[in-house]
Amino acid sequence: NAGVTQTPKFQVLKTGQSMTLQCAQDMNHEYMSWYRQDPGMGLRLIHYSVGAGITDQGEVPNGYNVSRSTTEDFPLRLLSAAPSQTSVYFCASNHPGTNIQYFGAGTRLSVL
Amino acid sequence: GNSVTQMEGPVTLSEEAFLTINCTYTATGYPSLFWYVQYPGEGLQLLLKATKADDKGSNKGFEATYRKETTSFHLEKGSVQVSDSAVYFCALGRTSYDKVIFGPGTSLSVIP
Repeated sequence: NAGVTQTPKFQVLKTGQSMTLQCAQDMNHEYMSWYRQDPGMGLRLIHYSVGAGITDQGEVPNGYNVSRSTTEDFPLRLLSAAPSQTSVYFCASNHPGTNIQYFGAGTRLSVL
Repeated sequence: GNSVTQMEGPVTLSEEAFLTINCTYTATGYPSLFWYVQYPGEGLQLLLKATKADDKGSNKGFEATYRKETTSFHLEKGSVQVSDSAVYFCALGRTSYDKVIFGPGTSLSVIP
């Protein structure tokens, strides 16, 4: 049972570089979300999706893009990384019939 | 708007001590309430939940009761173990189609 898989686990970028954080789930969940976790601020929602082809902004969407071409995958793109994007990123999924979210193990990103 | 407030940490306890982590919420309607736990280096996982007033959620010796009159969902455990060292997040969701709102998290360290 893989659940929610995030890659990579760690990444170091230079300011201005771009990258994609990958997220895949094998539970056939329609809902998927991206959060960032910063000390003292808990989890903040970046973007979410309620199904393939449908995405929407969360609390802190600036600097991030998402797309949802399949039910399984929900990649998060940083177009031009900034030091303020240094954080731990979590992907989560849930079935629309429940609020219970299943989280990946996270990606720790440092932007220098 | 909807929000969750948790007691600030970090909390340090000796093994076998009693644990209380306070959580209060603000929400319209009748939200579901959750406690998630994050062990070091891992993603969040559901610890327990309650879906209506006076419900008691329980798991792994932890309990929390949904108190609508005080808008609270305090987490308790009678005797903590070193393995309970983690960050605990209180969360709410108004409906199964609604975004989940997380509190800032409370770090717990249990020393032998």
